[in-house]
This record gives sequence, structure tokens and C-alpha cells, in this order.
Amino acid sequence: GQQLNQSPQSMFIQEGEDVSMNCTSSSIFNTWLWYKQDPGEGPVLLIALYKAGELTSNGRLTAQFGITRKDSFLNISASIPSDVGIYFCAGQLTGNQFYFGTGTSLTVIP
Amino acid sequence: NAGVMQNPRHLVRRRGQEARLRCSPMKGHSHVYWYRQLPEEGLKFMVYLQKENIIDESGMPKERFSAEFPKEGPSILRIQQVVRGDSAAYFCASSPNRDRGSQPQHFGDGTRLSIL
Repeated sequence: GQQLNQSPQSMFIQEGEDVSMNCTSSSIFNTWLWYKQDPGEGPVLLIALYKAGELTSNGRLTAQFGITRKDSFLNISASIPSDVGIYFCAGQLTGNQFYFGTGTSLTVIP
Repeated sequence: NAGVMQNPRHLVRRRGQEARLRCSPMKGHSHVYWYRQLPEEGLKFMVYLQKENIIDESGMPKERFSAEFPKEGPSILRIQQVVRGDSAAYFCASSPNRDRGSQPQHFGDGTRLSIL
């Protein structure tokens, strides 16, 4: 299957700091999605991106669809303790199948 | 996650038994996807179904695993003669039936399968 490289694997930050994570692929994707997963729960959709270069915000979260269509990044500003969790990127080639990254584990230290 | 309902949340089976995992998509959604997640790993696509049709099963193991999405009722992921390596969290996702562009998937809370 397709390989999505997500980095960093884990982050430990102080409350109030900004966070940046990214996802890269060797393939060109049509859609990028960002999800957050809390322990024992399913992933929750944060942001969906449909066009190259698109920049979309959801509260303190901002994500961009790279212009090469092979990457995407997610920024979280002014982190708070409830931002803790695992963040996954997902990319779509064609059809309805999405490929998921390996996740970025975020720990926010109060 | 309230929209996509999966049950049971936890399932324990002995080696050789059968496991049946159920997924009811969000209201108005007719596309269902199944994923498997091992601890500290991402989600691995298994199968994509629409009502009464398997669209893409490229991620399904060739043996012991099957999936269906009947005209009435939930989608079922069935694992026959389970082995220890089947222990994982199985997630179901659904998306609307629209042709315009791609639609993001909404996930259930998963079924945690443990094989003794």
C-alpha cells in the first residue's frame, strides 16, 4: 500500500506553545485529512483539504495542502492540555480509499 | 464519533472461534470502510463497501476474513478461526453517498478484539 511518512513521531511541549507536524508521500494525493485520536476512541476528523495550496483553519488548528500535492502540514497554536492525543494524516489517491500516516503522539505539559 | 456505531466495544475470543464485528454507519451514509489498528500504529485499510457491494477489498487477508453490508442492517466484519495475530482494534468509518468530490470518513469508536 501507499506509504505516508508522518513526523515527528512524538512531541512533548509546554502548554501555550505552538505545534507543527507534517505528512509526506511519494504519491500525489487528491485529498488530505487530519484526524485526532484519543485513547480508547476512534479518530475524529479535524480538517479536510481538497485543493493544492489550500489553507484551512478550525479554531486553533490550521492545515495546508502542499502545492506539490505530496505533503500536508498541521499547526496547533497555543496548545492546551486537551490537545493531548495522537494525530493522523490521511491521503486519498483515487476512489474512496484513504491511506493513513503512522501518527504523531502529542503530550502537553501543563 | 456518536454517528457511527460499532459493537461490541470489546470482544474476547479463543483461538479457532469466530468473531463478528458490527458497524452501523451514520444516518444518510451508504459507504462503509473497515480498518485495523495495532497498538501504536496507524490505521490499515481493509475493505470498502457500499450497500450489497464490495467495492475494494485489497486490504483484506485472503483467508478467514470476510465483510458484508446488506441492504438492511449493519455492516459485518467476520473473522473465522481466529488466531492470536488477529488481536487488534477494528474501526469502521462511513461517508455520504455523493459523487461530488471525495467525502471525508467519520469513524466509530472501534471494537477491541482480544484472542486468548
